[in-house]
Amino acid sequence: SQQGEEDPQALSIQEGENATMNCSYKTSINNLQWYRQNSGRGLVHLILIRSNEREKHSGRLRVTLDTSKKSSSLLITASRAADTASYFCATSLFQGAQKLVFGQGTRLTINP
Amino acid sequence: DAGITQSPRYKITETGRQVTLMCHQTWSHSYMFWYRQDLGHGLRLIYYSAAADITDKGEVPDGYVVSRSKTENFPLTLESATRSQTSVYFCASNPGTGGAYEQYFGPGTRLTVT
Repeated sequence: SQQGEEDPQALSIQEGENATMNCSYKTSINNLQWYRQNSGRGLVHLILIRSNEREKHSGRLRVTLDTSKKSSSLLITASRAADTASYFCATSLFQGAQKLVFGQGTRLTINP
Repeated sequence: DAGITQSPRYKITETGRQVTLMCHQTWSHSYMFWYRQDLGHGLRLIYYSAAADITDKGEVPDGYVVSRSKTENFPLTLESATRSQTSVYFCASNPGTGGAYEQYFGPGTRLTVT
């Protein structure tokens, strides 16, 4: 069964607005990662947050992690048309574990 | 070119035929992974390998065989293809050392089984 579940499944916003995607998971984790997938392409790693971290930033991306609620959110600020893609969360279950369990993804559409 | 490549990019085959999907990485990463991506299921791990000659099953291994005789190559074989194996297949790699957990993905192979 999928470890991560993402919400919403699809999100459509206007360019310049902020986009927030959420990921919930079931078991304790070592780290949680977010990936982007443009249509017809492979996944690209965006950001990794470890279980002892609460927030992380990378450019226009902000990721939060709440281990008590077993949830994470990805915020993309000042969205651009080029941000149109599917976004996936993935969890690594324990230290040293290289396997990832992926959620089903959020399809983000940025309208010009 | 450096990176991770997959071949073929597109493949159409018939039910019952054997098909091998190739994956090659130039980083000498220890770990390599095979996923399939289907609508409604996200990415599911088929097999992974921690090093040459070390492989292990993932979530959906049935009907697939892997081998890894060289660090840089990780072929995936469908021994007798079925229509349910129609999917997009992604290969990925990871250094496996230094606390690095992010994976690097290939461009994918779109497989259709008729």
